[in-house]
Amino acid sequence: AQSVTQLGSHVSVSEGALVLLRCNYSSSVPPYLFWYVQYPNQGLQLLLKYTTGATLVKGINGFEAEFKKSETSFHLTKPSAHMSDAAEYFCAVSAGGTSYGKLTFGQGTILTVHP
Amino acid sequence: ETGVTQTPRHLVMGMTNKKSLKCEQHLGHNAMYWYKQSAKKPLELMFVYSLEERVENNSVPSRFSPECPNSSHLFLHLHTLQPEDSALYLCASSQGEGRPNEKLFFGSGTQLSVL
Repeated sequence: AQSVTQLGSHVSVSEGALVLLRCNYSSSVPPYLFWYVQYPNQGLQLLLKYTTGATLVKGINGFEAEFKKSETSFHLTKPSAHMSDAAEYFCAVSAGGTSYGKLTFGQGTILTVHP
Repeated sequence: ETGVTQTPRHLVMGMTNKKSLKCEQHLGHNAMYWYKQSAKKPLELMFVYSLEERVENNSVPSRFSPECPNSSHLFLHLHTLQPEDSALYLCASSQGEGRPNEKLFFGSGTQLSVL
């Protein structure tokens, strides 16, 4: 079974500041890890994903995340926040192997960016 | 525009009504999904269809009945719902057969209120 914990339901940063959204996961098998973003009144969009290989994953809009197996973490970062980054962010995990797409999502973190 | 269209955007129904949610994807994908997004709860996978066959039913009550007549269309038929079923229902699709490492493309959702 898999589970995801996102630390902090709300994060507030100033424009230009570092964005750090925290995600810890639990999985009994090697995980696939994802970050999705949801803008108001829209569905979710994939920011980035880790499957295998390089542990530092770069995504769209300048975001990146690092898979740290020893810490069971997959934190999302962006060096400089932009007003357009204000949205809700979801970390998700799924089991590898032949199972179908059963993504387990965290509860989400709402990012607010102040001018 | 993600290529996944959901209708209606908003739906209000009584507990004795029967209604259907519709999802259409224009991406040529093989897998389609229904997710439920409730306030203050993580997204929950409801159903997965791969090549028009249901491959995952995540312990969803029978008052929710999915239908996938072809690879481009997915319906969720609703009957005798409860107020706790009020939520945002998200449809998604993926290119492959619904495997766990696939990128999901989400629609904007149907906001359902059960009175």
